[in-house]
Amino acid sequence: AQSVTQLDSQVPVFEEAPVELRCNYSSSVSVYLFWYVQYPNQGLQLLLKYLSGSTLVKGINGFEAEFNKSQTSFHLRKPSVHISDTAEYFCAVNSGAGSYQLTFGKGTKLSVIP
Amino acid sequence: GAGVSQSPRYKVTKRGQDVALRCDPISGHVSLYWYRQALGQGPEFLTYFNYEAQQDKSGLPNDRFSAERPEGSISTLTIQRTEQRDSAMYRCASSFGTSDSYEQYFGPGTRLTVT
Repeated sequence: AQSVTQLDSQVPVFEEAPVELRCNYSSSVSVYLFWYVQYPNQGLQLLLKYLSGSTLVKGINGFEAEFNKSQTSFHLRKPSVHISDTAEYFCAVNSGAGSYQLTFGKGTKLSVIP
Repeated sequence: GAGVSQSPRYKVTKRGQDVALRCDPISGHVSLYWYRQALGQGPEFLTYFNYEAQQDKSGLPNDRFSAERPEGSISTLTIQRTEQRDSAMYRCASSFGTSDSYEQYFGPGTRLTVT
């Protein structure tokens, strides 16, 4: 079985400051990792994904994440946030091996303060 | 192009009534998924279709829940004899292929409230 832990339910940060949203996963097999963003009244949108290869993954809107196998982490970072980044962010894992379902964390609400 | 659409966007129903939630995936996407998201939680997997075949329904909570995709495109999630605990956001997603790594594109969801 796999699980995803997002350690922070809410993260307030000032505009133009850096931010890190933490994600840890547990899985007994190799995984694919994803970060999704949910803006108010909209569906989930993929920010970035790790499938294989380079452990540093760059996504849309200036976000990036680093896969750390030894720490089973996939933290999301942005060096300078904007007001428009205010949203809820979800980390998800797919164990592959024929399993198509995504297992999501509980989400982190990012609030950017002007 | 058009994304995944879901209807209705909001549904209020009385306990004991049946509801049908519709998902129209992105054209050409062969895989379709249903998830349920309770308040303050992440989405939880319900079921998965590859074309018209329901490949995995392990996440359906009980036999009041069923889903179909008869022509391999539009899908309907049906909840019979609704209960208050069924209140949640129901999300549909589709993907291009059957590989595990294909990105899942999500619709806006249907907010179901059972009174």
